[in-house]
Amino acid sequence: DAGVTQSPTHLIKTRGQQVTLRCSPKSGHDTVSWYQQALGQGPQFIFQYYEEEERQRGNFPDRFSGHQFPNYSSELNVNALLLGDSALYLCASSFARSGDTGELFFGEGSRLTVL
Amino acid sequence: AQSVAQPEDQVNVAEGNPLTVKCTYSVSGNPYLFWYVQYPNRGLQFLLKYITGDNLVKGSYGFEAEFNKSQTSFHLKKPSALVSDSALYFCAVRPIHGSSNTGKLIFGQGTTLQVKP
Repeated sequence: DAGVTQSPTHLIKTRGQQVTLRCSPKSGHDTVSWYQQALGQGPQFIFQYYEEEERQRGNFPDRFSGHQFPNYSSELNVNALLLGDSALYLCASSFARSGDTGELFFGEGSRLTVL
Repeated sequence: AQSVAQPEDQVNVAEGNPLTVKCTYSVSGNPYLFWYVQYPNRGLQFLLKYITGDNLVKGSYGFEAEFNKSQTSFHLKKPSALVSDSALYFCAVRPIHGSSNTGKLIFGQGTTLQVKP
């Protein structure tokens, strides 16, 4: 049973560029959430996708956008990169019918460095 | 505002000794609480959760956590620490209950657990 998979694992960009990160949820899961984890910090919620729509959003600017595909996989796009966007980006999946008592399953993350 | 606090940046214990990693929370209503562990350059792994019922929750790898409503705490414990338990531990709370809110957790800052031989 494949867990949550993310790609790429590492990438380096320069300020002003755009980046796309990808996530495949755990088999059977239909909800994908994205988190940003800055060095030495806890993960911060970016947004959640369910049924191909953004359902919730954290305190992140519009430069952060996403998409969910019919197969439940998801992309996170960040435009106009800033140095402060350097972080580990984590994807988490869950099963909507588990409701709000279910735990999230995390991928190993995509490490973004902005120079 | 709903929040989670982990008052210790680092906890050091000797192998074989009991360990406690502290967590306090601030939420309205009944909290749904979680513990995750993160090994270097890895994602987060679920350890255990408290939803309702018994205040002592048992989880993976011999970990347990004690929910204390009056003290708004959810401390992670293990009777006998292993060197392999050394990692970064995060406490988290699900802030709003509702069927559409399965994806959002609010995490604490994390506590590094160092178990020495």
